[in-house]
Amino acid sequence: AQSVTQLGSHVSVSEGALVLLRCNYSSSVPPYLFWYVQYPNQGLQLLLKYTSAATLVKGINGFEAEFKKSETSFHLTKPSAHMSDAAEYFCAVTPRSGNTGKLIFGQGTTLQVKP
Amino acid sequence: EAGVAQSPRYKIIEKRQSVAFWCNPISGHATLYWYQQILGQGPKLLIQFQNNGVVDDSQLPKDRFSAERLKGVDSTLKIQPAKLEDSAVYLCASSSLEGGGARDTQYFGPGTRLTVL
Repeated sequence: AQSVTQLGSHVSVSEGALVLLRCNYSSSVPPYLFWYVQYPNQGLQLLLKYTSAATLVKGINGFEAEFKKSETSFHLTKPSAHMSDAAEYFCAVTPRSGNTGKLIFGQGTTLQVKP
Repeated sequence: EAGVAQSPRYKIIEKRQSVAFWCNPISGHATLYWYQQILGQGPKLLIQFQNNGVVDDSQLPKDRFSAERLKGVDSTLKIQPAKLEDSAVYLCASSSLEGGGARDTQYFGPGTRLTVL
């Protein structure tokens, strides 16, 4: 069965530092890949998604992610963290075929940004 | 464009009681999803509708959970009777493409936080 692993349930960075949130998927056929952000007491908001051949995907708020098939990874990065980036981040996948859009989520990574 | 609306935002009940949640998707979105998010975990799909038909309810505990989407617009999720382990945030999402295409973006509501005592 398809699964998603997010390495590190909590990540802490200083303001202005690089943000790196890790995501690995388990599938012999690369799925569609998504990153969502969840602020306290709010729903999930899409940051970016990978659905085509372009392996580097740019999203909102300065985030980007690179799809690496050889590593079955889709890590999320941002060059310089802002205080407003503090939130919960979820990686999710959905198979390319035989699927109606059901998202399978990782367990989430809480990003803390220190001043 | 208005987002996905959910109500209530918070609900506290005792075990064995019943509860219902309501969701109004983005106008024109054919596909509607209900997810359960237990504290410390990622959301898990409970049920998916396309218009007013069920596409996937394989992870819905049908002995106590039910959902409907009459007229293919808003939806109601019900739990009867509730158990302690049902404490979670219930998220509703919608997407625009017919068939809930795998590439499609799902837009999430703010969720309903349920506490079962």
